Amino acid sequence: AQRVTQPEKLLSVFKGAPVELKCNYSYSGSPELFWYVQYSRQRLQLLLRHISRESIKGFTADLNKGETSFHLKKPFAQEEDSAMYYCALFSGSARQLTFGSGTQLTVLP
Amino acid sequence: EAGVAQSPRYKIIEKRQSVAFWCNPISGHATLYWYQQILGQGPKLLIQFQNNGVVDDSQLPKDRFSAERLKGVDSTLKIQPAKLEDSAVYLCASSFIQGETQYFGPGTRLLVL
Repeated sequence: AQRVTQPEKLLSVFKGAPVELKCNYSYSGSPELFWYVQYSRQRLQLLLRHISRESIKGFTADLNKGETSFHLKKPFAQEEDSAMYYCALFSGSARQLTFGSGTQLTVLP
Repeated sequence: EAGVAQSPRYKIIEKRQSVAFWCNPISGHATLYWYQQILGQGPKLLIQFQNNGVVDDSQLPKDRFSAERLKGVDSTLKIQPAKLEDSAVYLCASSFIQGETQYFGPGTRLLVL
């Protein structure tokens, strides 16, 4: 069975500092991974997916199959990045998304 | 385009009562999902529809939860009877096809007393 682990429930950084949100997964097949974000009082929305290899709002994430990780990174955090971030794994066989428990990021001024 | 709509936004009921949630997906989206998100956890898939057929309901507590999508568009999720542990946010999402980006509704926050 697939599993997604986000070890940090809370993460605080200062504006302009680099930020990394950790995500580890366990899955026997070929993983397809996503990061979703939920800003205050807004709905959950897709931030990026690893197959597109896009950089969205300055965030990037690299799939490391050896370490089974998909950490989200941004070199210079902004206050508007404060939000709840969820890592998710799409299981091709079950055709469903499995979410991690989320990391609340706070960017301090 | 209009996003996924859900109603009601909030609901408070007593245990053993019944409750129903409604979802209207994005027009043209064939796949519809219901998730349960308990406080402090990520969303957990309850049921997935492809048009009006159930694709996966393996995590739906079928003794008390039911869902339908009769005409392949709107969907309702029902809980009868509710338990205290059903207190959660119920999210509806839709995607054009399976495996594509899922778009989420605002959720219904349920409190069972």
